[in-house]
Amino acid sequence: DAGVIQSPRHEVTEMGQEVTLRCKPISGHNSLFWYRQTMMRGLELLIYFNNNVPIDDSGMPEDRFSAKMPNASFSTLKIQPSEPRDSAVYFCASSSQGFEQFFGPGTRLTVL
Amino acid sequence: QQQVKQSPQSLIVQKGGISIINCAYENTAFDYFPWYQQFPGKGPALLIAIRPDVSEKKEGRFTISFNKSAKQFSLHIMDSQPGDSATYFCAGSNNAGNMLTFGGGTRLMVKP
Repeated sequence: DAGVIQSPRHEVTEMGQEVTLRCKPISGHNSLFWYRQTMMRGLELLIYFNNNVPIDDSGMPEDRFSAKMPNASFSTLKIQPSEPRDSAVYFCASSSQGFEQFFGPGTRLTVL
Repeated sequence: QQQVKQSPQSLIVQKGGISIINCAYENTAFDYFPWYQQFPGKGPALLIAIRPDVSEKKEGRFTISFNKSAKQFSLHIMDSQPGDSATYFCAGSNNAGNMLTFGGGTRLMVKP
């Protein structure tokens, strides 16, 4: 198995632009998680899906952030409009029946 | 989300020594406590985990000690090796491992 796949690996954009991060979970996993990692705030859970349904989005920082999971093999995290304080590494993770979460390699986002 | 406090922030250990990282949690509903290991440029990966019905779990050189009454748990790395140099995160969860709350991380350096 290729593991969790994220794209792009690096994204540099200007303030005000729309950013879309993509994730392909491990085949057969029914839970998907989006995290944000920064030096100041550490590793934070933004949202998680179970069987493609958003279960908890209490970690989403504000309305500029949205996430979708249209099917079991694909999810997106969108930021519109982006701001410099959104600069971080965004991780997607997936799990089967809870417990061990398998993380992707992350997307390093820089907003200028 | 309830906090998980992790210490120290950084740790330098000689090869062959014992590395000890400590965590304290607030949410008494937590019932799953994993440790994740993260190498630079990679996503976190599960190292070892414990449920509160046991006081200790050992896997190879890695041991978790758990003190339910004190709401504390720790990771011990015996015979530390340079390859163990990474950032370690503790976490707690009360939702079958789904809603992970991470500690701030400990950057471990093992000197040869």
